[in-house]
Amino acid sequence: AQSVTQLGSHVSVSEGALVLLRCNYSSSVPPYLFWYVQYPNQGLQLLLKYTSAATLVKGINGFEAEFKKSETSFHLTKPSAHMSDAAEYFCAVSLTTDSWGKLQFGAGTQVVVTP
Amino acid sequence: DGGITQSPKYLFRKEGQNVTLSCEQNLNHDAMYWYRQDPGQGLRLIYYSQIVNDFQKGDIAEGYSVSREKKESFPLTVTSAQKNPTAFYLCASSTLPRRTGFYGYTFGSGTRLTVV
Repeated sequence: AQSVTQLGSHVSVSEGALVLLRCNYSSSVPPYLFWYVQYPNQGLQLLLKYTSAATLVKGINGFEAEFKKSETSFHLTKPSAHMSDAAEYFCAVSLTTDSWGKLQFGAGTQVVVTP
Repeated sequence: DGGITQSPKYLFRKEGQNVTLSCEQNLNHDAMYWYRQDPGQGLRLIYYSQIVNDFQKGDIAEGYSVSREKKESFPLTVTSAQKNPTAFYLCASSTLPRRTGFYGYTFGSGTRLTVV
C-alpha cells in the first residue's frame, strides 16, 4: 500500500520569495510521484512527475521537485513566487508494481501569494 | 487536441432527483475515474473503470452509480440516495502501466453540483 502526506494545508509566500511545498510518501516498492496544481473551479493540471529517471525533475511554470529516497520525500520548489502561483497543489504517489497505476493523493496545500 | 471533457460545468439538483454527469475522453485511455472534492477534504475516489463494461467501487461509492459502455465515456449518476451531493466532481483518465507505461492522470475541468 502507499500513502502520501503533505505538510501544511496552507502556505503563504511573498511575491518573489521561494516556494517550498513538502510531500512525504510511504511505499513498499519504488514509487511513481506526481505534483498537480488546481486553480479555482478547474480540474487538476500536471506540474511534473518522477518515474524513476532523473531524481531532480523540472516541470512547468518554473517548478521543480527532487526525489529523495532516503528521506521518502518529493518536495516541490520554485525559486521566485509569482501572483499566478496562487492555487492548490496536490502530491500523488503510485506503486511501480501496480498494474492499475492508481494514484493516492495527498490532502493538498493551498498557496497564497502576497504582494 | 486530445483531452477529457466534463459537462455540464454547473448543475443544480432538486431533492429526490437523480442527475447524470458526463465525462468523455478522446485520449484512447483505458482507465477512467470519478472523484468528489469538498473544501478541505482533498480528492475522494467514487468509482473507477479499467475496461469497458467493468468498474469498481472506490472509497465513497454509496449513492452513486456509473456505466462504461464505451471506452471513451464514463458517466456518473448521483442518485437520490446520496444525502449530501453538493460538491465539485472531477473525472480523470489514464493509461495502464502494463500496456503503455504510466504517466499520471489527465483531469477534466469538473462539474459543480448544487442541491437546491
